[in-house]
Formats: sequence, structure tokens, C-alpha cells
Amino acid sequence: EDQVTQSPEALRLQEGESSSLNCSYTVSGLRGLFWYRQDPGKGPEFLFTLYSAGEEKEKERLKATLTKKESFLHITAPKPEDSATYLCAVRGYSSASKIIFGSGTRLSIRP
Amino acid sequence: NAGVTQTPKFRVLKTGQSMTLLCAQDMNHEYMYWYRQDPGMGLRLIHYSVGEGTTAKGEVPDGYNVSRLKKQNFLLGLESAAPSQTSVYFCASSPWEGGRYEQYFGPGTRLTVT
Repeated sequence: EDQVTQSPEALRLQEGESSSLNCSYTVSGLRGLFWYRQDPGKGPEFLFTLYSAGEEKEKERLKATLTKKESFLHITAPKPEDSATYLCAVRGYSSASKIIFGSGTRLSIRP
Repeated sequence: NAGVTQTPKFRVLKTGQSMTLLCAQDMNHEYMYWYRQDPGMGLRLIHYSVGEGTTAKGEVPDGYNVSRLKKQNFLLGLESAAPSQTSVYFCASSPWEGGRYEQYFGPGTRLTVT
């Protein structure tokens, strides 16, 4: 059964303090790993798709990386506006048309 | 482009009442999904559709029905609401072609069943 585990559940950082969020996954043949950002009271917003180990994607202060067992979302010199819940999701060969989501990491950046 | 829209944004129902949530997308996506999101539970898939006229069950389908009569619309129905269905409901669509499987979400419907 495909599974996604995110850690930590919550992370509080000072503005400018870089860190990483972890997404560990178990899937029978990865067909895509996705990162989303969700602000309170809003729907998730798509950030990145990674398809194979070694792949990296960047967007402003965010950089997503992928290995065969986990993905990291690196946040460099974060600002308060980066505060949100970050969700990881996977699609595997056995998932057919479904995407499996993790429970998310709640990130808070203090000014 | 409006992307994915959902109506209504908020609704309060009494136990046993029925309602329909409407999702519309203007991106010509084939795949559409309904999720519910509860504290500590993450996003759970209720039903999904891989094209006009098709529907399939997800992880938590009991108590819900869906229809996809038009490609751009995906309806979620609650025939007899229960307090356990109090949640935030999100609709999503996906192109599901050309290697693109990412999902685009609507703003959500907050439903309370008393």
C-alpha cells in the first residue's frame, strides 16, 4: 500500500533561518511526487512535481529534491510570508488515478 | 481563467438534510476529484472521475454520491447528512496527460452538520 509520511508536523523558524521539510514515501513504482502549499482557509496550491531520484526543482526560496525513499523541501532564508502548511503527495503505478497525500508540515516563520 | 471554483463556500445542515456541492473547472482537465480535509487526517479522497460520464470510489465514499455529466463540472451529493460529514470539502482537477499529473484545487466548502 502506498504511504506518505511528513516530518516534522510543525516547524517554527526565525526569519532568515534556513531549514528542510521531509517527505518519506513507500510506493510501488513512483510516477510522480508532488509538493503543495496550503494557506489557512484556502485550497492547496501546486508547487512542484518530481519524477525520478536526483531530480531538483526550485522556486524562489524553495528547492525540492528527490531520492528513492524521500523528498526534501529546502527553504532558504525564509520570510514570514512563507508561513503555511506544506503537503507532499505521491502517485505510484498501483495507485491508478489516485494521489496519496501526507498530513503536512505546518511552517511558521517569525519576523 | 478562474481555475477551479466551488459553490457554496459555507453551509450548515441539520442531520438528515441533503445538499449538492458544485465544482467547476475551466482548464479543460479530464480528471476531477473530491476530497475532505479534517484536522489530523489530511486530505482523503471521496470520489473521482477520469472523464465525462465516469465516476469511481475513493478512500471514504460512504454517504456521498457524485456525477460528472459535463466535462467541466463535478457534483458531490450528500443524501442524508450526518455530523460525521462535518468537514472542509475540496474539489481538484488534473490534466492527466503529457506526464502532467498535478492537481489544481478549488477554495473549499466548509460544511457543518448539526
